[in-house]
Amino acid sequence: DTAVSQTPKYLVTQMGNDKSIKCEQNLGHDTMYWYKQDSKKFLKIMFSYNNKELIINETVPNRFSPKSPDKAHLNLHINSLELGDSAVYFCASSQVGSGEQYFGPGTRLTVT
Amino acid sequence: AQSVTQPDIHITVSEGASLELRCNYSYGATPYLFWYVQSPGQGLQLLLKYFSGDTLVQGIKGFEAEFKRSQSSFNLRKPSVHWSDAAEYFCAGGGAQKLVFGQGTRLTINP
Repeated sequence: DTAVSQTPKYLVTQMGNDKSIKCEQNLGHDTMYWYKQDSKKFLKIMFSYNNKELIINETVPNRFSPKSPDKAHLNLHINSLELGDSAVYFCASSQVGSGEQYFGPGTRLTVT
Repeated sequence: AQSVTQPDIHITVSEGASLELRCNYSYGATPYLFWYVQSPGQGLQLLLKYFSGDTLVQGIKGFEAEFKRSQSSFNLRKPSVHWSDAAEYFCAGGGAQKLVFGQGTRLTINP
């Protein structure tokens, strides 16, 4: 029973394209996150949503737009992809106040 | 600003040997502290957490960690490592809504 799932697992695309990554959690959590892990494994938070409301936006370029249709889903849309966007993107979820985050398997995005 | 530092980028230990991975934090108050493990091509799995109370916390897979306020540290330990423990380990800290991750420590196990 997958707790936090992401699709797709791999995404290869060309510069300038627009792509989306989907995330779903079945843990009943009310807070969801997007993280970016670079080639050196450094993990940095991008966005956080609580009950569909944006609560953290860590100076991410406007080309990145998260969307939360309901509290179980948090999708990430990226416009005009650049080479520097190549990374592994992780979705995570937590129950508000717990601090304990559960991660999805990641989506490896490669921009050529 | 809060920060989490893992001083060791890469550690190699022999199978069966003991392990200690270091983590230091900088935070205004006592943060929530976590250790996560990431196997190659996988997501992050929570090993253990510290919120308050007993400063020695037990986690999954035989790991434990000790919170030392005086040293601002939260080191991860295991008495005897197994080959399957080879992975990337991340320390994280913060409040209820936002975590800051350390740079990670890659653990290699020698047979």
